[in-house]
Amino acid sequence: DAKTTQPTSMDCAEGRAANLPCNHSTISGNEYVYWYRQIHSQGPQYIIHGLKNNETNEMASLIITEDRKSSTLILPHATLRDTAVYYCIVRPIQGAQKLVFGQGTRLTINP
Amino acid sequence: DTEVTQTPKHLVMGMTNKKSLKCEQHMGHRAMYWYKQKAKKPPELMFVYSYEKLSINESVPSRFSPECPNSSLLNLHLHALQPEDSALYLCASSQVGVAKNIQYFGAGTRLSVL
Repeated sequence: DAKTTQPTSMDCAEGRAANLPCNHSTISGNEYVYWYRQIHSQGPQYIIHGLKNNETNEMASLIITEDRKSSTLILPHATLRDTAVYYCIVRPIQGAQKLVFGQGTRLTINP
Repeated sequence: DTEVTQTPKHLVMGMTNKKSLKCEQHMGHRAMYWYKQKAKKPPELMFVYSYEKLSINESVPSRFSPECPNSSLLNLHLHALQPEDSALYLCASSQVGVAKNIQYFGAGTRLSVL
């Protein structure tokens, strides 16, 4: 079973920052938080992951709370191409290779 | 190159047909995956191959038969499927045994069983 909770849907205006929350209150110390997104009719695409520190790459920033029970994915300047379903996934550092997808958040970027 | 190529993109088959889905990657990844995604649902893992050996089978019916002939190729053989097997079938690949295990997905094969 998925170990994360996300809002079903969100809207954001083009050019604004999109902040997508994720609750993972049962996360353990050896589990990463991963974010993937799936644009319509495409395969999921890796965005970013983190363990306990905040992370930033060319696509997004990941903010993880100090207790690690929740996180926020930030798309700093959303474009229409960012419209997609965003999945927050908790995964062990070692061992299991499987990704267990939850229901995700359907993010719509409006012009 | 982070591309995973799946063929065909679309497939229509009858319940008595035998068909195969193909997946290819040239990133040197030694783990490959099959996922199934029904409409408006998240992907669900079916199989994992690690070093060309089946390591995870998520209790998938035997009418789905995976095969990993070499480190770059992954096949999914289909036989006697049911209409409820209609879905998007996604292939992914990743490195094995590293903390940063990023899975790269193909665009999928959209399967319709009549």
